[in-house]
Amino acid sequence: DAEITQSPRHKITETGRQVTLACHQTWNHNNMFWYRQDLGHGLRLIHYSYGVHDTNKGEVSDGYSVSRSNTEDLPLTLESAASSQTSVYFCASSAGQITYEQYFGPGTRLTVT
Amino acid sequence: AQKVTQAQTEISVVEKEDVTLDCVYETRDTTYYLFWYKQPPSGELVFLIRRNSFDEQNEISGRYSWNFQKSTSSFNFTITASQVVDSAVYFCALSGSSASKIIFGSGTRLSIRP
Repeated sequence: DAEITQSPRHKITETGRQVTLACHQTWNHNNMFWYRQDLGHGLRLIHYSYGVHDTNKGEVSDGYSVSRSNTEDLPLTLESAASSQTSVYFCASSAGQITYEQYFGPGTRLTVT
Repeated sequence: AQKVTQAQTEISVVEKEDVTLDCVYETRDTTYYLFWYKQPPSGELVFLIRRNSFDEQNEISGRYSWNFQKSTSSFNFTITASQVVDSAVYFCALSGSSASKIIFGSGTRLSIRP
């Protein structure tokens, strides 16, 4: 069965360190998305990609970057982790663009100390 | 600016009761899309429904139904004869025609008591 996976599922890091969260999908979807979920804010879009080598900024992109070198993967990098980036991160993919239904990964809980 | 309001932070009902989750949205787009997602205690988000702004027909899927009313900018979700497995956080979301933005509401935590 097609799926979308995220790793690690839990991560603790220190302020200032670079962190990369992995996202891998086997749906063969062109479109992939990264969100963060914080209490009281729902989900907020960080970055998204509509195909290989395409990346776009979302609502809360400062301090984050992504790169898309193949269809299956969209890693999210925190350049210099800050305590404000402690959150649960979700990756999603879709057969269509952002106006279509998305399939979500299980999430990564990141704690920045 | 786009906005999604889920005013009900938490709802608790007894099993078999009907329950409605409210979603009110704001947008200047004439073409837009509305979604509902479910987040059970296990944490993953599950797609429930997508509706475009030109389709105001109500939708029913088993015990789930959705009422889209453009006149009141609402897209409410009703669960009939609720079950314990319906316990989850439910998110309403809005995306405009520019395909560059999606806004989620803050979610409604639904607890179904046996």
